[in-house]
Amino acid sequence: GENVEQHPSTLSVQEGDSAVIKCTYSDSASNYFPWYKQELGKRPQLIIDIRSNVGEKKDQRIAVTLNKTAKHFSLHITETQPEDSAVYFCAANVGVGSGGGADGLTFGKGTHLIIQP
Amino acid sequence: DGGITQSPKYLFRKEGQNVTLSCEQNLNHDAMYWYRQDPGQGLRLIYYSQIVNDFQKGDIAEGYSVSREKKESFPLTVTSAQKNPTAFYLCASSIVKGSDSPLHFGNGTRLTVT
Repeated sequence: GENVEQHPSTLSVQEGDSAVIKCTYSDSASNYFPWYKQELGKRPQLIIDIRSNVGEKKDQRIAVTLNKTAKHFSLHITETQPEDSAVYFCAANVGVGSGGGADGLTFGKGTHLIIQP
Repeated sequence: DGGITQSPKYLFRKEGQNVTLSCEQNLNHDAMYWYRQDPGQGLRLIYYSQIVNDFQKGDIAEGYSVSREKKESFPLTVTSAQKNPTAFYLCASSIVKGSDSPLHFGNGTRLTVT
Protein backbone atom coordinates (compact mmCIF):
# COMPACT_ATOMS: atom_id res chain seq x y z
CA GLY A 1 0.00 0.00 0.00
CA GLU A 2 0.83 3.65 -0.12
CA ASN A 3 3.24 5.10 2.45
CA VAL A 4 3.51 8.85 2.98
CA GLU A 5 6.36 10.36 4.99
CA GLN A 6 6.14 13.97 6.17
CA HIS A 7 8.86 16.24 7.57
CA PRO A 8 9.43 18.02 9.81
CA SER A 9 7.03 17.07 12.60
CA THR A 10 7.38 20.55 14.10
CA LEU A 11 8.38 23.75 12.35
CA SER A 12 8.83 27.11 14.03
CA VAL A 13 9.34 30.23 11.90
CA GLN A 14 9.32 33.96 12.49
CA GLU A 15 6.28 35.83 11.34
CA GLY A 16 6.87 37.04 7.80
CA ASP A 17 9.34 34.28 6.94
CA SER A 18 8.62 31.34 4.65
CA ALA A 19 7.77 27.80 5.72
CA VAL A 20 8.35 24.62 3.74
CA ILE A 21 6.91 21.19 4.56
CA LYS A 22 8.02 18.15 2.60
CA CYS A 23 6.41 14.79 1.88
CA THR A 24 7.44 11.66 0.05
CA TYR A 25 5.21 8.87 -1.22
CA SER A 26 5.85 5.31 -2.26
CA ASP A 27 3.22 4.41 -4.86
CA SER A 28 4.22 5.68 -8.29
CA ALA A 29 0.60 5.28 -9.43
CA SER A 30 -0.65 7.97 -7.01
CA ASN A 31 -1.85 11.00 -8.94
CA TYR A 32 -3.55 13.29 -6.42
CA PHE A 33 -1.80 15.13 -3.59
CA PRO A 34 -3.86 17.36 -1.30
CA TRP A 35 -2.77 19.39 1.70
CA TYR A 36 -5.02 19.88 4.72
CA LYS A 37 -4.79 22.41 7.53
CA GLN A 38 -6.15 21.53 10.95
CA GLU A 39 -6.46 24.18 13.62
CA LEU A 40 -6.62 23.10 17.23
CA GLY A 41 -9.86 21.28 18.00
CA LYS A 42 -11.20 21.70 14.49
CA ARG A 43 -11.63 19.53 11.42
CA PRO A 44 -9.03 19.30 8.66
CA GLN A 45 -9.72 21.61 5.76
CA LEU A 46 -8.32 21.41 2.25
CA ILE A 47 -6.02 24.33 1.47
CA ILE A 48 -4.50 23.28 -1.84
CA ASP A 49 -4.11 20.19 -3.98
CA ILE A 50 -2.13 19.15 -7.02
CA ARG A 51 -2.54 16.45 -9.60
CA SER A 52 0.28 14.60 -11.26
CA ASN A 53 -0.15 16.29 -14.61
CA VAL A 54 1.30 19.55 -13.22
CA GLY A 55 4.50 20.34 -11.37
CA GLU A 56 3.47 23.40 -9.40
CA LYS A 57 0.33 25.17 -8.25
CA LYS A 58 -0.02 28.46 -6.44
CA ASP A 59 -2.82 30.14 -4.51
CA GLN A 60 -1.86 33.51 -3.03
CA ARG A 61 0.72 32.81 -0.28
CA ILE A 62 0.50 29.04 -0.65
CA ALA A 63 2.18 26.91 -3.28
CA VAL A 64 2.70 23.21 -3.81
CA THR A 65 5.38 21.57 -5.94
CA LEU A 66 5.46 17.99 -7.17
CA ASN A 67 8.40 15.93 -8.37
CA LYS A 68 6.98 12.71 -9.78
CA THR A 69 10.37 11.22 -10.58
CA ALA A 70 11.58 11.58 -7.01
CA LYS A 71 8.09 10.95 -5.59
CA HIS A 72 8.03 13.94 -3.35
CA PHE A 73 5.90 17.05 -3.00
CA SER A 74 6.19 20.14 -0.86
CA LEU A 75 4.04 22.88 0.62
CA HIS A 76 5.42 26.42 0.61
CA ILE A 77 3.90 29.22 2.67
CA THR A 78 5.32 32.70 2.15
CA GLU A 79 4.97 35.78 4.35
CA THR A 80 3.70 33.67 7.24
CA GLN A 81 1.09 35.13 9.57
CA PRO A 82 -0.10 34.14 13.06
CA GLU A 83 -3.25 32.55 11.60
CA ASP A 84 -1.04 30.11 9.68
CA SER A 85 -0.27 28.36 12.97
CA ALA A 86 -1.84 24.90 12.74
CA VAL A 87 -1.09 21.27 11.93
CA TYR A 88 -0.64 20.59 8.23
CA PHE A 89 -1.16 17.17 6.65
CA CYS A 90 -0.08 16.00 3.24
CA ALA A 91 -1.79 13.06 1.57
CA ALA A 92 -1.67 10.87 -1.50
CA ASN A 93 -4.42 8.82 -3.06
CA VAL A 94 -4.39 5.05 -3.09
CA GLY A 95 -5.96 2.35 -5.14
CA VAL A 96 -5.24 4.17 -8.37
CA GLY A 97 -5.72 1.91 -11.32
CA SER A 98 -7.10 -0.87 -9.21
CA GLY A 99 -10.62 -0.23 -10.41
CA GLY A 100 -11.68 0.34 -6.84
CA GLY A 101 -12.51 4.00 -7.23
CA ALA A 102 -12.45 6.04 -4.05
CA ASP A 103 -10.05 4.05 -1.93
CA GLY A 104 -9.31 7.06 0.22
CA LEU A 105 -6.19 8.96 1.00
CA THR A 106 -3.08 8.01 2.92
CA PHE A 107 -2.00 10.87 5.16
CA GLY A 108 1.37 11.92 6.48
CA LYS A 109 1.70 12.23 10.25
CA GLY A 110 1.42 15.99 10.20
CA THR A 111 3.58 19.06 10.78
CA HIS A 112 2.87 21.42 13.64
CA LEU A 113 3.65 24.86 12.24
CA ILE A 114 4.31 27.54 14.84
CA ILE A 115 4.53 31.17 13.80
CA GLN A 116 6.64 33.17 16.22
CA PRO A 117 5.64 36.85 16.62
CA ASP B 1 -21.73 24.74 8.04
CA GLY B 2 -19.99 22.07 6.06
CA GLY B 3 -22.78 19.64 5.29
CA ILE B 4 -21.27 16.79 7.32
CA THR B 5 -22.59 16.33 10.82
CA GLN B 6 -20.96 14.08 13.37
CA SER B 7 -22.55 13.39 16.69
CA PRO B 8 -21.93 13.47 19.51
CA LYS B 9 -18.88 15.72 19.84
CA TYR B 10 -17.71 13.92 22.98
CA LEU B 11 -18.53 10.35 23.92
CA PHE B 12 -17.61 8.38 27.01
CA ARG B 13 -17.99 4.63 27.36
CA LYS B 14 -16.96 1.85 29.67
CA GLU B 15 -14.57 -0.79 28.41
CA GLY B 16 -16.39 -3.75 26.89
CA GLN B 17 -19.29 -1.75 25.51
CA ASN B 18 -19.99 -1.23 21.85
CA VAL B 19 -20.58 2.36 20.78
CA THR B 20 -21.89 3.85 17.53
CA LEU B 21 -20.73 7.17 16.10
CA SER B 22 -23.07 9.01 13.79
CA CYS B 23 -22.15 10.66 10.48
CA GLU B 24 -24.68 12.37 8.23
CA GLN B 25 -24.05 14.39 5.07
CA ASN B 26 -26.37 16.51 2.94
CA LEU B 27 -23.85 17.16 0.18
CA ASN B 28 -25.17 14.38 -2.06
CA HIS B 29 -21.72 12.81 -2.03
CA ASP B 30 -21.32 9.23 -3.18
CA ALA B 31 -18.25 8.30 -1.14
CA MET B 32 -17.88 8.40 2.63
CA TYR B 33 -14.97 7.57 4.91
CA TRP B 34 -14.03 7.09 8.53
CA TYR B 35 -10.61 8.12 9.80
CA ARG B 36 -9.06 7.77 13.22
CA GLN B 37 -6.68 10.47 14.50
CA ASP B 38 -4.19 9.89 17.30
CA PRO B 39 -1.51 12.35 18.46
CA GLY B 40 1.52 12.13 16.19
CA GLN B 41 -0.11 9.50 13.97
CA GLY B 42 -1.91 11.56 11.39
CA LEU B 43 -5.19 10.25 10.01
CA ARG B 44 -5.62 6.54 9.42
CA LEU B 45 -8.40 5.08 7.29
CA ILE B 46 -10.80 2.72 9.05
CA TYR B 47 -13.53 2.07 6.47
CA TYR B 48 -14.83 3.66 3.31
CA SER B 49 -17.92 3.36 1.15
CA GLN B 50 -18.29 4.23 -2.50
CA ILE B 51 -22.01 3.60 -2.77
CA VAL B 52 -25.04 2.58 -0.76
CA ASN B 53 -24.91 -0.97 0.61
CA ASP B 54 -21.22 -1.29 -0.15
CA PHE B 55 -18.16 -0.62 1.98
CA GLN B 56 -14.52 -1.64 2.17
CA LYS B 57 -11.97 -2.04 4.92
CA GLY B 58 -9.26 0.53 5.29
CA ASP B 59 -5.88 0.17 6.96
CA ILE B 60 -7.11 -0.32 10.54
CA ALA B 61 -10.57 -1.91 10.28
CA GLU B 62 -10.12 -4.49 13.05
CA GLY B 63 -12.55 -3.90 15.90
CA TYR B 64 -14.80 -1.60 13.87
CA SER B 65 -17.92 -2.08 11.77
CA VAL B 66 -19.95 0.17 9.48
CA SER B 67 -23.14 0.23 7.46
CA ARG B 68 -24.31 2.27 4.47
CA GLU B 69 -28.06 1.81 4.23
CA LYS B 70 -28.62 5.35 3.02
CA LYS B 71 -26.50 7.65 0.88
CA GLU B 72 -26.57 10.31 3.57
CA SER B 73 -25.52 8.15 6.50
CA PHE B 74 -22.40 6.16 7.36
CA PRO B 75 -22.39 5.18 11.07
CA LEU B 76 -19.31 3.64 12.67
CA THR B 77 -19.53 1.11 15.49
CA VAL B 78 -16.54 0.72 17.76
CA THR B 79 -16.79 -2.78 19.18
CA SER B 80 -15.35 -4.24 22.35
CA ALA B 81 -12.81 -6.01 20.14
CA GLN B 82 -11.02 -2.71 19.42
CA LYS B 83 -8.06 -2.76 21.77
CA ASN B 84 -7.38 0.97 21.92
CA PRO B 85 -10.64 2.74 21.10
CA THR B 86 -9.89 6.08 22.74
CA ALA B 87 -9.23 8.49 19.88
CA PHE B 88 -10.59 11.32 17.76
CA TYR B 89 -12.79 10.00 14.92
CA LEU B 90 -13.34 11.92 11.73
CA CYS B 91 -15.95 11.22 9.09
CA ALA B 92 -15.47 12.54 5.55
CA SER B 93 -17.14 12.46 2.18
CA SER B 94 -16.22 13.16 -1.43
CA ILE B 95 -18.36 14.03 -4.38
CA VAL B 96 -17.51 11.19 -6.71
CA LYS B 97 -16.04 7.74 -6.50
CA GLY B 98 -12.78 8.71 -8.14
CA SER B 99 -9.69 8.74 -5.95
CA ASP B 100 -8.77 12.34 -6.77
CA SER B 101 -11.76 14.07 -5.21
CA PRO B 102 -11.23 16.42 -2.25
CA LEU B 103 -12.41 15.19 1.12
CA HIS B 104 -14.85 17.19 3.21
CA PHE B 105 -14.56 16.42 6.91
CA GLY B 106 -17.01 16.56 9.76
CA ASN B 107 -16.09 18.15 13.09
CA GLY B 108 -15.19 14.84 14.64
CA THR B 109 -16.16 12.80 17.69
CA ARG B 110 -13.76 12.38 20.58
CA LEU B 111 -14.30 8.97 22.12
CA THR B 112 -12.96 8.13 25.56
CA VAL B 113 -13.18 4.58 26.84
CA THR B 114 -12.31 3.84 30.45
